[in-house]
Amino acid sequence: DTAVSQTPKYLVTQMGNDKSIKCEQNLGHDTMYWYKQDSKKFLKIMFSYNNKELIINETVPNRFSPKSPDKAHLNLHINSLELGDSAVYFCASSDPVLASSYNEQFFGPGTRLTVL
Amino acid sequence: DQQVKQNSPSLSVQEGRISILNCDYTNSMFDYFLWYKKYPAEGPTFLISISSIKDKNEDGRFTVFLNKSAKHLSLHIVPSQPGDSAVYFCAASGSGNTPLVFGKGTRLSVIA
Repeated sequence: DTAVSQTPKYLVTQMGNDKSIKCEQNLGHDTMYWYKQDSKKFLKIMFSYNNKELIINETVPNRFSPKSPDKAHLNLHINSLELGDSAVYFCASSDPVLASSYNEQFFGPGTRLTVL
Repeated sequence: DQQVKQNSPSLSVQEGRISILNCDYTNSMFDYFLWYKKYPAEGPTFLISISSIKDKNEDGRFTVFLNKSAKHLSLHIVPSQPGDSAVYFCAASGSGNTPLVFGKGTRLSVIA
C-alpha cells in the first residue's frame, strides 16, 4: 500500500502546454509539500500546505499553482511550460505529531517532467 | 547560497568496511538534521535523524553524529553492504512543519 503516490511518473510535453501532476498520501498527515530536483540534482522546496492552506511559497513563478482539494491531496498545475521546467518533481508529507523522528517527511516516487 | 553542503559527490567503500558521509551547514537556526537514501527512479527514503540537542543517534548499522560548534554532521554505516549503494542526502530543518533544506547528495558505492 503506497504511502505517498504521484501520477504520472513520466510526463513529456511541448513548450507552452499546461499540465498537472497529482499527489495523494494515505498517511493521515496534515502537511504536504512539493519539491523540485533540477538538473544539478538539488532538491528544493516549492510549496507547503497545511490542512489545505498554503503556508510556504518559495520564489516559484506564478505559472505554478498548487491546489489542495483536501488534506490528503496536493496537486501541482503548471501553465505555459518552459524548457527550464524540466526536472523531477517530488511530493512529500509529514506530521510532527505522528512522526517517529522529528520532521520526518515521506516522499512520493517523483514525476520526471521533460519539456521539449 | 547553499545552506547544506555535501562536498563529496561520490564515495566508494568495500563491503564490510565503514562508510562515512559528511555534511556541513551554515544556518545555526536548524533544529533537526536528517539523512535520506535515494535509489534511482524512486523518492528519497528517510534513514535516520538527530535533533540539535543531541550529538549522536544510532539505529542498527547507521549512526549520525552532530557537531554543532563546527556545524557538521556525519553518517556512519558499519558494516557497509552492497544494498547500501545509493545516493545519500543530508537535510536540515527548523522546528514544526518546516520544509527540508537538502544537500546535493553523495553517491555511495559499496563494492563486494
